[in-house]
Amino acid sequence: SAVISQKPSRDICQRGTSLTIQCQVDSQVTMMFWYRQQPGQSLTLIATANQGSEATYESGFVIDKFPISRPNLTFSTLTVSNMSPEDSSIYLCSATRGSAKQETQYFGPGTRLLVL
Amino acid sequence: DQQVKQNSPSLSVQEGRISILNCDYTNSMFDYFLWYKKYPAEGPTFLISISSIKDKNEDGRFTVFLNKSAKHLSLHIVPSQPGDSAVYFCAASQGGTSYGKLTFGQGTILTVHP
Repeated sequence: SAVISQKPSRDICQRGTSLTIQCQVDSQVTMMFWYRQQPGQSLTLIATANQGSEATYESGFVIDKFPISRPNLTFSTLTVSNMSPEDSSIYLCSATRGSAKQETQYFGPGTRLLVL
Repeated sequence: DQQVKQNSPSLSVQEGRISILNCDYTNSMFDYFLWYKKYPAEGPTFLISISSIKDKNEDGRFTVFLNKSAKHLSLHIVPSQPGDSAVYFCAASQGGTSYGKLTFGQGTILTVHP
């Protein structure tokens, strides 16, 4: 399995500020994704982090609000910009790496964000 | 539009018995399905997956069944153990792999009592 770490693990932020979340994978992966889990909700895909090009955003998510970088095959960042209390969520990155036997998508531990 | 649904928010089972978690989907383009387990303050952990070309996949105590005509899948855990207590998410994707976008259900909280 892939080992994925995220920093910070949690943060409390003030309205109107921005937070950048880092995601590091222990080896090169094909694809990286960013998800959000709002309180009491399921996981929702924000965007696919493309290496060397702009991220691909899902409906309802825009680059100005959630800029994403992926400078190489093991690292990505997600910025939550101009935060409001509605952005309070768990943000998770995931990565896909396959093998001959099995392919799957692995998740990081998540970043718990509380916006006051 | 909830394309993947887990209609049971919670399930309580006695240790040693079978746990059956259910998941329904509406998008007929989904052809690859996964189950994840999530503990509090951790990310989801992959459990088992199934391609739409199969109707059953086993891995130890975990078996996933897929009924394509009913657009329904289930996860069986036998025997259930207290350490299985967690939130279980089913997820679906298109393209026959988990390489792309996953659409998740709402999750089912499983509690296994000693």
